[in-house]
Amino acid sequence: QQQVKQSPQSLIVQKGGISIINCAYENTAFDYFPWYQQFPGKGPALLIAIRPDVSEKKEGRFTISFNKSAKQFSLHIMDSQPGDSATYFCAASMIKAAGNKLTFGGGTRVLVKP
Amino acid sequence: EPEVTQTPSHQVTQMGQEVILRCVPISNHLYFYWYRQILGQKVEFLVSFYNNEISEKSEIFDDQFSVERPDGSNFTLKIRSTKLEDSAMYFCASSEWAEAFFGQGTRLTVV
Repeated sequence: QQQVKQSPQSLIVQKGGISIINCAYENTAFDYFPWYQQFPGKGPALLIAIRPDVSEKKEGRFTISFNKSAKQFSLHIMDSQPGDSATYFCAASMIKAAGNKLTFGGGTRVLVKP
Repeated sequence: EPEVTQTPSHQVTQMGQEVILRCVPISNHLYFYWYRQILGQKVEFLVSFYNNEISEKSEIFDDQFSVERPDGSNFTLKIRSTKLEDSAMYFCASSEWAEAFFGQGTRLTVV
């Protein structure tokens, strides 16, 4: 019940195209859904996050769409650039007073072709 | 911009040896975490630390693992007797509340 399932595992998109990554979760107690970007040899970097009281959040070229009834959320990268080539991880957590343990999806390797 | 720093960046150790991985979290953060990532796999939670004690740990975090915040700035992960399967990237993270910021990681290779 703690799992977060992410798809696709890899994605190739042309420069200027839209990258779409999907995640599904089972635990309805999750109340925080961040996306992380990871370049090879680096740590995950927080990209954007959403809480379940909002259905969509946009920051620049990155948009999270959230469907609470379906227990799904997705990341859209608009106008994809070669510099966006990285591995993207969705995550979910229950925010508690004692901390915020993140459960990560399996990751999506995105390659943006020039 | 404040960041989480980890040392060393790469550690090679012999099976059965003890290793200590070090982290300096962002200074005003209250919550501290260790995660690991086996090559090509997802990031897995190990332990969270708040108010000078472990607040949550995963089943991976067995008696071979321990964490410490020895002073006001450092946060360490100790593996007492390393096994081959402990080879992974270990990430330290810290947060003020929900948003967790990760360090660059320590690549641990057990031979």
